[in-house]
Amino acid sequence: DTAVSQTPKYLVTQMGNDKSIKCEQNLGHDTMYWYKQDSKKFLKIMFSYNNKELIINETVPNRFSPKSPDKAHLNLHINSLELGDSAVYFCASSHSGAGNTIYFGEGSWLTVV
Amino acid sequence: EDQVTQSPEALRLQEGESSSLNCSYTVSGLRGLFWYRQDPGKGPEFLFTLYSAGEEKEKERLKATLTKKESFLHITAPKPEDSATYLCAVQANSNTGKLIFGQGTTLQVKP
Repeated sequence: DTAVSQTPKYLVTQMGNDKSIKCEQNLGHDTMYWYKQDSKKFLKIMFSYNNKELIINETVPNRFSPKSPDKAHLNLHINSLELGDSAVYFCASSHSGAGNTIYFGEGSWLTVV
Repeated sequence: EDQVTQSPEALRLQEGESSSLNCSYTVSGLRGLFWYRQDPGKGPEFLFTLYSAGEEKEKERLKATLTKKESFLHITAPKPEDSATYLCAVQANSNTGKLIFGQGTTLQVKP
């Protein structure tokens, strides 16, 4: 029944490791997003894909690489993790076009130690 | 630069004490203003979308209004279960769907 689901929910890893977060949506949307929420709860967009094509790539380090195998999935791979990468990462989806509602997943809590 | 500022950062109310949350914005062509509710440990939950100045939407004890510079989320006779962080976001005049969020208002309603 879950609309936007992401795994894992919690991830604790050491500096320098590589990790991935997976996201799937069953809403039939054609656009998916990754947002990052920092310790002050400020949400900021990182990437957006429309029909598997990258359309938004904000100022994000190259260590972050999104991949969209199909319209229903958008994964986030992070190389060489740093302490500052600790945050909550939210996957979201919507129909394309401005004004459409964006639905968020439950979040993935990443802690780099 | 598109920007969203919410106030206050935190708000404590007694159950039944009505109040309003403010969201001020500057955006190059507003396509939509969104309100979300976020509970601890959860993702943002969609509440409302407002598209043009003068528009109002209601849901239970919540009512959202929009002017050309700001939006208000009015909470009438709140209950403890209304305690959450309320996020405001704007979508600019583009087709990317990108949301620009404010920092949120954390509401605590005491019984």
